[in-house]
Amino acid sequence: NAGVTQTPKFRVLKTGQSMTLLCAQDMNHEYMYWYRQDPGMGLRLIHYSVGEGTTAKGEVPDGYNVSRLKKQNFLLGLESAAPSQTSVYFCASSSYGDTQYFGPGTRLTVL
Amino acid sequence: AQSVTQLDSQVPVFEEAPVELRCNYSSSVSVYLFWYVQYPNQGLQLLLKYLSGSTLVKGINGFEAEFNKSQTSFHLRKPSVHISDTAEYFCAVRLFGNEKLTFGTGTRLTIIP
Repeated sequence: NAGVTQTPKFRVLKTGQSMTLLCAQDMNHEYMYWYRQDPGMGLRLIHYSVGEGTTAKGEVPDGYNVSRLKKQNFLLGLESAAPSQTSVYFCASSSYGDTQYFGPGTRLTVL
Repeated sequence: AQSVTQLDSQVPVFEEAPVELRCNYSSSVSVYLFWYVQYPNQGLQLLLKYLSGSTLVKGINGFEAEFNKSQTSFHLRKPSVHISDTAEYFCAVRLFGNEKLTFGTGTRLTIIP
């Protein structure tokens, strides 16, 4: 039982490049979330999903897109990376009314 | 909209001393409350949560928190800290009927040997 896993762990991009972050969970959770963590700002919700095939915007969605084609996977895409997107990205999953379980994070640097 | 305030961004404490990390929230409706811990270069791990019932909640690693509705607070306490408690601690709130968490900005706990 791996819980929540994230791929890759580290990535360096140049401004304007694109990339996709993958989150996978093996707990059969309905809900999945993407957060970004910046110093002094805590975690802020980017996008979330309440089930396969559904996505919704969180607090800071601009510049990101997501997809949930399979229940166990939640992808976060950056179409044209900007230095302001340098951050640590966390994925989480949960069942309805239950605790959110977090992945280990992806450290992204945009030059 | 709900919000969470962690007034102390950094708290240094001597080893074996007690500690209290403060958390206040703002919400017009009832909430659930959580404390998460983040050890260096790791993800977040649940310490404890308040959903209902007793206002004193016990969590892992000897931590506890008390929900005070009148003061809209959920302070985290530990009677005697250890070096291994060095981490960042996040308070979070979730509204009834809503699955989204709103996090505070975090408190970095540093244990002084």
